[in-house]
Amino acid sequence: DQQVKQNSPSLSVQEGRISILNCDYTNSMFDYFLWYKKYPAEGPTFLISISSIKDKNEDGRFTVFLNKSAKHLSLHIVPSQPGDSAVYFCAASGGWGGGADGLTFGKGTHLIIQP
Amino acid sequence: DVKVTQSSRYLVKRTGEKVFLECVQDMDHENMFWYRQDPGLGLRLIYFSYDVKMKEKGDIPEGYSVSREKKERFSLILESASTNQTSMYLCASSLTLSGTGELFFGEGSRLTVL
Repeated sequence: DQQVKQNSPSLSVQEGRISILNCDYTNSMFDYFLWYKKYPAEGPTFLISISSIKDKNEDGRFTVFLNKSAKHLSLHIVPSQPGDSAVYFCAASGGWGGGADGLTFGKGTHLIIQP
Repeated sequence: DVKVTQSSRYLVKRTGEKVFLECVQDMDHENMFWYRQDPGLGLRLIYFSYDVKMKEKGDIPEGYSVSREKKERFSLILESASTNQTSMYLCASSLTLSGTGELFFGEGSRLTVL
């Protein structure tokens, strides 16, 4: 049973436009959410996170929105750039949020930025 | 910067061989993890360790074992490799009680089992 779902395996966006990546979760114990970015042949790198006590977190071109009642979060990238082309993983941690038992990841969305 | 180093970027092994994947982190992190990444399946947790000599099963531990003899080193062992273990293996570490769950990943080890 998938607890973190990314329903779009891929997404194509024109350079300069907004990219919106979506993520849904089912476990109400999750209290911290993260987005990771992964290039081919490299390990994932942390991008941005949000605690369940917030509904928005912004870092430069990246903004994450959390809707707890809908168990939904989204990552907005504005404006999209060619270097943003990568696989994006949504991840969640639960309980006391210490992360000692790792994260639960979605299957990833491959974002392709078209010139 | 945190550095997580995986010993081999690419390996090719034969069915039935024993495989060791080594991972070293340099930031004195308590927690270390092994994930595998497969297309369409995302990242799945194999094993994790929250202290030296301690280990816990993740979501897909079958066919794998781990060893953590020193805090900085976490090894993944495939006792008898099979073709369905062909995958990208990712090691990660994190601080304990960080409250954020942020993981620091190595560059990955791509294993092909023939």
